[in-house]
Amino acid sequence: QVQLQESGPGLVKPSQTLSLTCTVSGGSISSDGYYWSWVRQHPGKGLEWMACIYHRGATYYNPSLKSRMTISVDTSKNQFSLKLSSVTAADTAVYYCARDRAGDISWFDPWGHGALVTVSS
Amino acid sequence: DIQMTQSPSSLSASVGDRVIITCRATQNIKNYLNWYQQKPGKAPQLLIYAASSLQSGVPSRFSGSGSGTDFTLTISNLQPEDFATYYCQKSYGPPRTFGGGTKVEI
Repeated sequence: QVQLQESGPGLVKPSQTLSLTCTVSGGSISSDGYYWSWVRQHPGKGLEWMACIYHRGATYYNPSLKSRMTISVDTSKNQFSLKLSSVTAADTAVYYCARDRAGDISWFDPWGHGALVTVSS
Repeated sequence: DIQMTQSPSSLSASVGDRVIITCRATQNIKNYLNWYQQKPGKAPQLLIYAASSLQSGVPSRFSGSGSGTDFTLTISNLQPEDFATYYCQKSYGPPRTFGGGTKVEI
């Protein structure tokens, strides 16, 4: 079964760039019919979809984050990544990666365990 | 953008109760609506997709209904392991917006 695992620094300084990678195992990131998404959750708050990417390169971003965010895919490593620039304390959150079934009837499943990223000097 | 509003934001219930959580979209999203359960410190897990389809492995006491703008998640015969936070999410186009969540407490 497909599993996802986030990795990256747990502490980022303000104004720097947050970088996270999601490694997909048990299946191919190049499988047709799936996007690959990032979702974050601020401490004690709800879920915020950030962006998704298709293995052929198509990307979609949350308009609220689009100017600071880049999502990319490395099919050779079965990974996709997130970069969020100019971070502030407001970007402190748990960041989840998830498989996103393509289409209007789509859903997030499975999810990674989540990576807590704290923005602090 | 389409916004998703859940109610209530929290509720108290007892084992064996029937719980109903509602989710409202600001525009017609047909049946493009999912429900997730999240327990503290864990990733969300898919319960219901396409408004009423039960994800494989999810107990049948969970059910979803609705279409258009109004949706409900019903938990029949609430079990101790069901105390968690529940989120709705529209799957229609990006952005894939979540509702604010409903915390089900003892």
